[in-house]
Amino acid sequence: NAGVTQTPKFRVLKTGQSMTLLCAQDMNHEYMYWYRQDPGMGLRLIHYSVGEGTTAKGEVPDGYNVSRLKKQNFLLGLESAAPSQTSVYFCASRYAPTLGDTQYFGPGTRLTVL
Amino acid sequence: GQSLEQPSEVTAVEGAIVQINCTYQTSGFYGLSWYQQHDGGAPTFLSYNALDGLEETGRFSSFLSRSDSYGYLLLQELQMKDSASYFCAVTKLIFGTGTLLAVQP
Repeated sequence: NAGVTQTPKFRVLKTGQSMTLLCAQDMNHEYMYWYRQDPGMGLRLIHYSVGEGTTAKGEVPDGYNVSRLKKQNFLLGLESAAPSQTSVYFCASRYAPTLGDTQYFGPGTRLTVL
Repeated sequence: GQSLEQPSEVTAVEGAIVQINCTYQTSGFYGLSWYQQHDGGAPTFLSYNALDGLEETGRFSSFLSRSDSYGYLLLQELQMKDSASYFCAVTKLIFGTGTLLAVQP
């Protein structure tokens, strides 16, 4: 099993450009999440999905959109990138948020917006 | 609102025991999780407490007191490789800002 993978690993954008980050998991997990982590900070939840075809907003959803067309994939889109979106983006998945359920993280995407 | 508080930094020596505290304020609490993150890496799950008491997993233990909205992570027999950031998180995936643990020889 590859676990949770993210593409790309690094990206530099100019202000106003758009891009999509891809998260894929091969563990048949229902729940998937997108976080951002700024230097010296904890993770903040952007959007999440509790199953194929569903999405919901997290703590900091503004400026981002997501889609979960297939169970194994969760896409994060930036329509018009801003320097404030410079961050490391982590995707995570879990089977279901039952007691003691482990959340698995991808390796992260380092995004710089100039 | 929801919030978690952790100390920003902790320093300890190899072989020692260290405790990292976490206090939380949240609605709909189901449990407290702990994650480890090495510099430049992804967070990895360490432990989860849904009920009051101590959960032990090898050198790491985690404690929860729901009445006090408080938990801690206890690391024993510290090793250099334990130098990392440690995050507590509550259900609904609110993370603390993390505690940077530096283990010195």
